[in-house]
Amino acid sequence: NAGVMQNPRHLVRRRGQEARLRCSPVKGHSHVYWYRQLPEEGLKFMVYLQKENIIDESGMPKERFSAEFPKEGPSILRIQQVVRGDSAAYFCASSPRDSRGIGMNTEAFFGQGTRLTVV
Amino acid sequence: EDQVTQSPEALRLQEGESSSLNCSYTVSGLRGLFWYRQDPGKGPEFLFTLYSAGEEKEKERLKATLTKKESFLHITAPKPEDSATYLCAVWGNTGKLIFGQGTTLQVKP
Repeated sequence: NAGVMQNPRHLVRRRGQEARLRCSPVKGHSHVYWYRQLPEEGLKFMVYLQKENIIDESGMPKERFSAEFPKEGPSILRIQQVVRGDSAAYFCASSPRDSRGIGMNTEAFFGQGTRLTVV
Repeated sequence: EDQVTQSPEALRLQEGESSSLNCSYTVSGLRGLFWYRQDPGKGPEFLFTLYSAGEEKEKERLKATLTKKESFLHITAPKPEDSATYLCAVWGNTGKLIFGQGTTLQVKP
């Protein structure tokens, strides 16, 4: 999938613990998107980030969830005090800087995802 | 609100039996329509982006077309390795991809 790296691939957490999911975009890509996929469901948008900025977090729960994309290093999706309903596959996508300045280029590449299981 | 509906939910074909998957959409200011393939346990794999009505793109046995209200993914003479879930997504003025539920294709030898 064109170099988007997510880790860990699988993560098991007990209820109440914190989960940290990492996404390293394709080299040179400055746009990162996080999606959640529940079993038998489609991909649901969570948050859209550019370097050091959150552009759109309309799909992210107001509590316990946060995301960042620092100047250096990977993008992090953080879930505090996890509950069983947080169990899902979390996918990250990256896109290069759009020459038209509207956020997404012709292709958005996805990573292999992190499968979070809350026990 | 941007919305994408894919049909059918599931499709079973015999090897060599051509068919089409449908993606109906409503979007504020279509900037692109994306098709992805997703295998179990994997991330979505990019296939095509279409930008305007009338546009068509092809890749091996797959051909994607676009109208103002829907897109079709035509599969010609499919093989078992084409079995996967095919996802459609629209990109509009919101600047984010909105996905449909997907069509799960099974091709039997």
